[in-house]
Amino acid sequence: QVQLRESGPGLVKPSETLSLVCTVSGGSISGKYWSWIRQPPGKGLEWLGFIFYSGTTNYNPSLGSRISMSVDMPNNQVSLKLTSVTAADTAVYYCVRLHLEEGWGPFAPWGQGTLVTVSS
Amino acid sequence: SYVLTQPPSVSVAPGKTARFSCEGDSVESESVHWYQHIPGQAPVVVISYNGDRPSGIPERFSGSKSGTTATLIISRVEAGDEADYYCQVWDRDSDLWVFGGGTKLTVL
Repeated sequence: QVQLRESGPGLVKPSETLSLVCTVSGGSISGKYWSWIRQPPGKGLEWLGFIFYSGTTNYNPSLGSRISMSVDMPNNQVSLKLTSVTAADTAVYYCVRLHLEEGWGPFAPWGQGTLVTVSS
Repeated sequence: SYVLTQPPSVSVAPGKTARFSCEGDSVESESVHWYQHIPGQAPVVVISYNGDRPSGIPERFSGSKSGTTATLIISRVEAGDEADYYCQVWDRDSDLWVFGGGTKLTVL
């Protein structure tokens, strides 16, 4: 079964760039949509965007031009970059697969999530 | 504010039925998906496409919708069901994938 694992620095300084990698095992990223979702401490879930394996992206406008995603087919990885971070970007970041079947489907499976804290 | 409105909490005794509501305009026209999130674990989809139960999810979990309100029902609630439950839709108007604020289930 497909498993996702997020990796990256757990601490990022304000104004710097948050970079996370999602490694997909048990299946190929080819032909599928991949998303990033975050959950700030004590708050709800926020969808950040998706990337299709071909590189097509759709980002949450609330993040403006700060967000970018990419795919690395040979390594079966999806990446997230968020620039100019502030304390408001402190959250658990999840990598998830977005299904498209009978219309847009659920997010499944989810990675375990990785906590990123923005602090000097 | 959330495009999808969920009550913040639901409490139920073991063996009873828990009902979770999710209200929003997008519910009427789009598929609703429900997630169980036990703190410290990865969220899991328990109901997809309004009422489909993914493989491995107990039959105690069911979903439905009517108009602008979707409902998740957990029958014969167990202590292990204690978690946060989120509804989610694709909001066509904004082209955003949105979640409700979540409902915390407490098993008494």
